[in-house]
Amino acid sequence: DTAVSQTPKYLVTQMGNDKSIKCEQNLGHDTMYWYKQDSKKFLKIMFSYNNKELIINETVPNRFSPKSPDKAHLNLHINSLELGDSAVYFCASSQGLGAGPNYGYTFGSGTRLTVV
Amino acid sequence: AQTVTQSQPEMSVQEAETVTLSCTYDTSESDYYLFWYKQPPSRQMILVIRQEAYKQQNATENRFSVNFQKAAKSFSLKISDSQLGDAAMYFCAGGDGNKLVFGAGTILRVKS
Repeated sequence: DTAVSQTPKYLVTQMGNDKSIKCEQNLGHDTMYWYKQDSKKFLKIMFSYNNKELIINETVPNRFSPKSPDKAHLNLHINSLELGDSAVYFCASSQGLGAGPNYGYTFGSGTRLTVV
Repeated sequence: AQTVTQSQPEMSVQEAETVTLSCTYDTSESDYYLFWYKQPPSRQMILVIRQEAYKQQNATENRFSVNFQKAAKSFSLKISDSQLGDAAMYFCAGGDGNKLVFGAGTILRVKS
C-alpha cells in the first residue's frame, strides 16, 4: 500500500562503515530524489533520477553514490561513513521532470542515520 | 535560482484560533509553483497546499489557505480553527528547475 517506501527506517552504524538505504515507489512515477534533512531540519536535495538517468547531483561527497536499477527504485550507498553524515534521508518521487516543482513530491517516511 | 525564506523559527496558537505562517521567496522564473509541507513528529512529509503563480486566486484546502502576494514575493499559510493535530514543522517550498527548494521551517505549537 505504501506509495514511497524506504528501508531501513533507522540505521545506527560506526564511523568508517559502508551502508545502503533503499527506496521503492509504486506510483508509476519516473522521477525520484534523495534529500538530506540535517539536525536543524533543513532539507537539501542531493540527487535526482529521471527514468534511471542522473539529472541532479548537488555538491555531495563522492562517498555518496546513488543507483537506480529501474524507475521504481532509487538506492543510496554511502562509503566510509562520517559523524557528519548523521541525518534523516528522505526519498521522494514525482511524475515527470517538471512535475515535482509543479505538483509537489510524494515522500517516503525517511531513514534516520546515526553514525557513532 | 529559487530561494525560500521562513523568518519565524517558532509560532504558537491556541486551539480553535487562527495562525499565519510567513514565507518569502525569490525567483527569476515567470511561471512557478509554491507549496507548504507539514512534518509532524512522525517525520512524514505531507503536502498541505499548492499555489500556481499564474493564478490570481489564493489556494484553499479546508482549514488551510494561502495569501499569495506575487509582487511582494510573499506566500503565507493561514490555518483556521487550529487543532492539536496541526502541531508540526511547516516548510514552505518552491520549484527551481527540476527540484523543490525548501525554507528552513517553522515549528507550530498548538496549546489546548
